[in-house]
Amino acid sequence: GNSVTQMEGPVTLSEEAFLTINCTYTATGYPSLFWYVQYPGEGLQLLLKATKADDKGSNKGFEATYRKETTSFHLEKGSVQVSDSAVYFCALSDRGNFNKFYFGSGTKLNVKP
Amino acid sequence: GAGVSQSPSNKVTEKGKDVELRCDPISGHTALYWYRQSLGQGLEFLIYFQGNSAPDKSGLPSDRFSAERTGGSVSTLTIQRTQQEDSAVYLCASSSRRDGTTGNSPLHFGNGTRLTVT
Repeated sequence: GNSVTQMEGPVTLSEEAFLTINCTYTATGYPSLFWYVQYPGEGLQLLLKATKADDKGSNKGFEATYRKETTSFHLEKGSVQVSDSAVYFCALSDRGNFNKFYFGSGTKLNVKP
Repeated sequence: GAGVSQSPSNKVTEKGKDVELRCDPISGHTALYWYRQSLGQGLEFLIYFQGNSAPDKSGLPSDRFSAERTGGSVSTLTIQRTQQEDSAVYLCASSSRRDGTTGNSPLHFGNGTRLTVT
């Protein structure tokens, strides 16, 4: 079946540190992959996406590359800011199942000044 | 344009009462999801509507939970005989999908309904 596994949080970093949040997936077909972000007190919003192998999604300094060989979609940012503190969710969309979405459990990021 | 709208934004109810939560998806979106998010937790899938297909109800936690989607647009999530463990934020999301797409349509989330059962 389909599933998404994320590293457990919380992740605590100092400002300007390098961020990696690991995400791996299992899929029966050819999924599209997404990262969503939930800032404190707000709803979930799309951060970035990739629809096929080797695609790189990027937005707001965040990047993630769709790695089919390792079934991974790790989120990275070279220099985090306090404003990046949020919960990050990795997700896949299964094109073979009416594009049903599967979410990881979320990783909370705390960035200290 | 208008995003996904959920109402009410907050609902406090007594244990044992029924509640209805409403979701207005983005116009033209064929897919609609309900999720539940308890405090500090991840997203718990509840139910998924896609066009005219039979809904995927595999995430509904008990028969006290039901959902409808009328006319392929507005959806209502009903919780009967509410329990304290039903307290959570209920999120609705929608996406567009037409046959033959590549599956890259993202989900658009509403701001949720915070349900508190006392």
